[in-house]
Amino acid sequence: NAGVMQNPRHLVRRRGQEARLRCSPMKGHSHVYWYRQLPEEGLKFMVYLQKENIIDESGMPKERFSAEFPKEGPSILRIQQVVRGDSAAYFCASSPQRAAEAFFGQGTRLTVV
Amino acid sequence: TQLLEQSPQFLSIQEGENLTVYCNSSSVFSSLQWYRQEPGEGPVLLVTVVTGGEVKKLKRLTFQFGDARKDSSLHITAAQPGDTGLYLCAGEAAGTYKYIFGTGTRLKVLA
Repeated sequence: NAGVMQNPRHLVRRRGQEARLRCSPMKGHSHVYWYRQLPEEGLKFMVYLQKENIIDESGMPKERFSAEFPKEGPSILRIQQVVRGDSAAYFCASSPQRAAEAFFGQGTRLTVV
Repeated sequence: TQLLEQSPQFLSIQEGENLTVYCNSSSVFSSLQWYRQEPGEGPVLLVTVVTGGEVKKLKRLTFQFGDARKDSSLHITAAQPGDTGLYLCAGEAAGTYKYIFGTGTRLKVLA
C-alpha cells in the first residue's frame, strides 16, 4: 500500500509565478490536511479537506492561496503570484476518517527566487 | 487559539543518556500524537494517546498523556545516535478534527 505521495519534491518559482503542489492520499483515505513548515520550525496547519469539500481553511492566507480535493485525482494546493515569503516545505497528510491517525508525505520544498 | 509548547527546544546529549521531552498546553485535547521528523523528510507517526493518564511504550520510548489531557511527555531511555531528529507533538482539539503541532524539540545524540 503506497504511502502519501507528494509531487514535485522540489519546486522553484520566480516571484509572481504560480505554484501547484499535488498530494495523492493513501488508498482508502478521503481526508487530506496541508501544513507549512519554515526552516527550524514546527508545522503550521493550513487547510483540511474531504473529497470535494473544504472542512477547515482557517490556517490558509485568504489571498493567493487555494486548495481543492476533487472527486477524482489528487489534492492540489495552489499559490498564485508567489513571493519570497512563500518559500517553505509544504506537507500533506491523509487519514481514512475524521480525527483518525494521519500519515504524512515527504513534502514539497518550494523556493521562490 | 490552541498552542502546544514543547521543551526543551534543543537537546544535545551523549549516547546512553536518558532524556524527557515535554509538550504542554492550556487546552484540552481529544488525542495527542508524537512524530519524529528527519531532515528533508515528512514527519513519521510514533504513537497516539487518547486517554488521560495513558502510558504507551515503544521499545526505548515511553509516552505519557497527562491526566487532564493538556500535556504529554516522551521519555527516551539509553539514547542512541539513531534517535537524532526533530520530535513533534500534535494535539487534536475537541471537535476541530485537525491537529495542531507543537514547536518541536530538536534532539542530537552524540556517539
